[in-house]
Amino acid sequence: DQQVKQNSPSLSVQEGRISILNCDYTNSMFDYFLWYKKYPAEGPTFLISISSIKDKNEDGRFTVFLNKSAKHLSLHIVPSQPGDSAVYFCAASARGEGSQGNLIFGKGTKLSVKP
Amino acid sequence: DTAVSQTPKYLVTQMGNDKSIKCEQNLGHDTMYWYKQDSKKFLKIMFSYNNKELIINETVPNRFSPKSPDKAHLNLHINSLELGDSAVYFCASSRGERAQYFGPGTRLTVL
Repeated sequence: DQQVKQNSPSLSVQEGRISILNCDYTNSMFDYFLWYKKYPAEGPTFLISISSIKDKNEDGRFTVFLNKSAKHLSLHIVPSQPGDSAVYFCAASARGEGSQGNLIFGKGTKLSVKP
Repeated sequence: DTAVSQTPKYLVTQMGNDKSIKCEQNLGHDTMYWYKQDSKKFLKIMFSYNNKELIINETVPNRFSPKSPDKAHLNLHINSLELGDSAVYFCASSRGERAQYFGPGTRLTVL
């Protein structure tokens, strides 16, 4: 019973173009969402987050969009660079008493950016 | 200047053994976590701990136990290792319920 779903296991994009990674969630109690990037044999690296009170957050080339009514978020990378090639994980948490912010992860999308 | 470190990076052991994985963070965070990444690549929370509370994922066998000697360390002890315990284990830390920062992972192989 996956509460966070990344339905595309892989995505291939040309260098310089936009990469759009998608994530859907089912738990309406989630109020904090994050994207992580992971290279092989390394731990996930925090990229960007968004609170449910916002619908957009931007940090350099990375922008996360949140559509609460659709329970959907996306990560846009513009322009894409070969160094962005990695597995991207979407994660969500329901902050508040008893949760301690435990993250629920999607299965990841492998992004390949071709020169 | 590693923020979250884990040792060892690789651990190969026999079934039935008891082993520990160490985790240290130098970020001044107050909450630490252990995650398991299984063969299907899902990252699942095992424990979260701050100086007030330990929250255990109910699916984690009681052979697994976290031990925190101080706020900067959260070690994972595993008793009577089984084949199904083979996975990559990640430690993480955060300040309260903000973004978590992960260690490099420990690949455990049980033979």
